[in-house]
Amino acid sequence: QVQLVESGGGVVQPGKSVRLSCAASGFTFSSYGMHWVRQAPGKGLEWVAVIWSDGSNKYYADSVKGRLTISRDNSKNTLYLQMNSLRAEDTAVYYCARDSGAPGGYYLDCWGQGTLVTVSS
Amino acid sequence: SYELTQPPSVSVSPGQTARITCSGDALPKQYAYWYQQKPGQAPVLVIYKDNERPSGIPERFSGSSSGTTVTLTISGVQAEDEADYYCQSADSRGTSVVFGGGTKLTVL
Repeated sequence: QVQLVESGGGVVQPGKSVRLSCAASGFTFSSYGMHWVRQAPGKGLEWVAVIWSDGSNKYYADSVKGRLTISRDNSKNTLYLQMNSLRAEDTAVYYCARDSGAPGGYYLDCWGQGTLVTVSS
Repeated sequence: SYELTQPPSVSVSPGQTARITCSGDALPKQYAYWYQQKPGQAPVLVIYKDNERPSGIPERFSGSSSGTTVTLTISGVQAEDEADYYCQSADSRGTSVVFGGGTKLTVL
């Protein structure tokens, strides 16, 4: 079955960096676009970024442009999120999710369980 | 970017019908999707392309669209349906995804 497992979260100091990983299994990873979505404590879902199946295109929410970078390694079936210059407002559970690949617009048909990033001194 | 607006909360008694709305200017042109999220869990897709139901989602979940508003309907609500529900859409250029603010469904 499809499985997405995030890792790399923890407590990080403001201004520092961290890289999140998402290990995929149970499907042909290289055939699907992938997303990162975050959820601050007690808040709603916020889309962060998407990367196409071959990595050729990447798009970001305005709130993270220039600080967060999405990437993937199809040989390792792994999605990444490099997070730089972290701020308190980046504190959230970060979910990786698979894009359905269906025409008509992005939607996320499978989600990981998330990894918590806490930005605090 | 554009916004999707949901009511913060909806309450229904077991067995009744719950309707959760989502409004946005782009919805006449873009599909809407719905996710269910229970406390401490990841979101789960319950409706795609306005009114399609993924396999494994109970038939009591349905979606509809009218103009700038889409609606998630849960017929015969059960206690297990108590959760947060989020609508989602995407821009036509394929460059962004937007979520509504979420609606907390309470089963009285």
